[in-house]
Amino acid sequence: EVQLVESGGGLVQPGRSLRLSCTASGFTFGDYAMSWVRQTPGKGLEWVGFITIKAYGGTTEYAASVKGRFTISRDDSKSIAYLQMNSLKTEDTAMYYCTRVGPMGGSDYWGQGTLVTVSS
Amino acid sequence: QLVLTQSPSASASLGASVKLTCTLSSGHSNYAIAWHQQQPEKGPRYLMKLNSDGSHNKGDGIPDRFSGSSSGAERYLTISSLQSEDEADYYCQTWGTGIWVFGGGTKLTVL
Repeated sequence: EVQLVESGGGLVQPGRSLRLSCTASGFTFGDYAMSWVRQTPGKGLEWVGFITIKAYGGTTEYAASVKGRFTISRDDSKSIAYLQMNSLKTEDTAMYYCTRVGPMGGSDYWGQGTLVTVSS
Repeated sequence: QLVLTQSPSASASLGASVKLTCTLSSGHSNYAIAWHQQQPEKGPRYLMKLNSDGSHNKGDGIPDRFSGSSSGAERYLTISSLQSEDEADYYCQTWGTGIWVFGGGTKLTVL
């Protein structure tokens, strides 16, 4: 059974940093690209970014709203994807979801999410 | 610009069928999409990937009541024999080179 478990969320002050983790199980982690998606309370889904598999260079892409501040990385030996968030803003407050990228594109599995609150 | 448009709300009666629409922006009518369901207070769940020719691949455990179809730039999600647990937000998603996009979501109410 595919499982994605996010952790690392919490309350953080504006301008500070936070690192989220996504621990995967039930599939060969290194064979799949991974992505992060966020959802502001009561609002819709917003793509944050993704990371490809090592065979494709582990390249990353980001939404314009987080580019230059957020970094996605992966540790295939531990089956973990990370989201490093720097220079956090109040508008980054959201539930953050980790998703597996399906072989044909798009998200095919979701985690349960971890809540990040940016507030002074 | 790659954009997905969804109606904000829809409603249908228990046991009936409903067809939700996701419209791709001009110039992107051949793009595949994915449909996701988000029940109240839960994380999203993948329903299916839907291609421009109407072929689709459903996620694990998704009932046969959920089906997809396509026409031009429109992508549809049809839910038949509506049940109370189908009351949820439904999002479409697509992807291009280096970018992913979500529609604004449709809130489905089961009457």
